[in-house]
Amino acid sequence: GAVVSQHPSRVICKSGTSVKIECRSLDFQATTMFWYRQFPKQSLMLMATSNEGSKATYEQGVEKDKFLINHASLTLSTLTVTSAHPEDSSFYICSAPPGLSSYNEQFFGPGTRLTVL
Amino acid sequence: RKEVEQDPGPFNVPEGATVAFNCTYSNSASQSFFWYRQDCRKEPKLLMSVYSSGNEDGRFTAQLNRASQYISLLIRDSKLSDSATYLCVVRVMDSSYKLIFGSGTRLLVRP
Repeated sequence: GAVVSQHPSRVICKSGTSVKIECRSLDFQATTMFWYRQFPKQSLMLMATSNEGSKATYEQGVEKDKFLINHASLTLSTLTVTSAHPEDSSFYICSAPPGLSSYNEQFFGPGTRLTVL
Repeated sequence: RKEVEQDPGPFNVPEGATVAFNCTYSNSASQSFFWYRQDCRKEPKLLMSVYSSGNEDGRFTAQLNRASQYISLLIRDSKLSDSATYLCVVRVMDSSYKLIFGSGTRLLVRP
């Protein structure tokens, strides 16, 4: 199957700092990528849809100024958590459907575990 | 009400047992249905898609009842390696094609 990578896999930072997470599709192009957040023992919650060449679409309740998304190319989307606080500590996962249609099966990255002290 | 609801479990079963998970979804516009498996602190991985006619993949059988908005997963002859959280996932047919995840059902298979 297709491969999606995320970097870093784990990050620990101080409150108030910004953290950038990268999501890359390694062997296919993705015009759309999805960013999820998962708190312990809870479901994956979609945060936003990243669109190559245009603005991201955020889900209700997700602050677009706090979670900055940039989809600079067909293989890279970045999520920046600005001014991170302890409540932002979570497991962040991206996914990407291969091809131009986001209807295709989505492949998930291995996730980034963020801990804000 | 959650869009996708699952019994959180855990289901604690012996090796070789048959176990069934259920899931209900609230949006009648849901068009595609999946079961994903998620191991602890890992990303979810597609186990199988679910079709209206029901489908089987080895020891795993998935069923969909659109009228009742109900999805099931049956695991036969459970293995220790089946221990994981099983996520019921639906895709709503709108322009976003986004996936909606259930909170998962945890399965523990004991020797």
